[in-house]
Amino acid sequence: DAGITQSPRHKVTETGTPVTLRCHQTENHRYMYWYRQDPGHGLRLIHYSYGVKDTDKGEVSDGYSVSRSKTEDFLLTLESATSSQTSVYFCAISEFLETQYFGPGTRLLVL
Amino acid sequence: AQSVTQPDIHITVSEGASLELRCNYSYGATPYLFWYVQSPGQGLQLLLKYFSGDTLVQGIKGFEAEFKRSQSSFNLRKPSVHWSDAAEYFCAVGSTTSGTYKYIFGTGTRLKVLA
Repeated sequence: DAGITQSPRHKVTETGTPVTLRCHQTENHRYMYWYRQDPGHGLRLIHYSYGVKDTDKGEVSDGYSVSRSKTEDFLLTLESATSSQTSVYFCAISEFLETQYFGPGTRLLVL
Repeated sequence: AQSVTQPDIHITVSEGASLELRCNYSYGATPYLFWYVQSPGQGLQLLLKYFSGDTLVQGIKGFEAEFKRSQSSFNLRKPSVHWSDAAEYFCAVGSTTSGTYKYIFGTGTRLKVLA
């Protein structure tokens, strides 16, 4: 299995609070991605990174920001959590034009 | 616009029966195509991928998929389903935009297997 970890694995928070999810890889892959998974929507891309400090928006980026200061870490921040951001969040890694490998996921509940 | 369509939200088959899950894509260039499986409460596991060459690709767990350019399809098949195949299946296309690389996923097909 690809070396990808996500932390925390579960989180409960309140509306309006900031939340940061961490993705850590040991594979030295160039690309890192954040997705959210919701019933009926499959996986939707939030943000992705194609190198240190190089990031771009996905299809559902509103309310989220990311940072990548090191190759191995990709942080996803919910600036002010809302109930609509209750979801399962997956991190993935890949090289250019190669297979994506996924982390175990983080379950986030916003009350 | 680039997209992936999985027309079947749910499929139910009996154990031992054959299976075909449909995937259609819309992509202007040569596609990189993938099938992933997700068991309940788990992450996504790669079943198989198509980059080029032979249009019939073999994957893990006895799955195969056939790339048909003329139909813009990449359907997943298995000749005999096992109860442990019950899961959700996702088709994806690798997309290059402005020199970067990302996936576009379908919405998934949930497979139920009857004993």
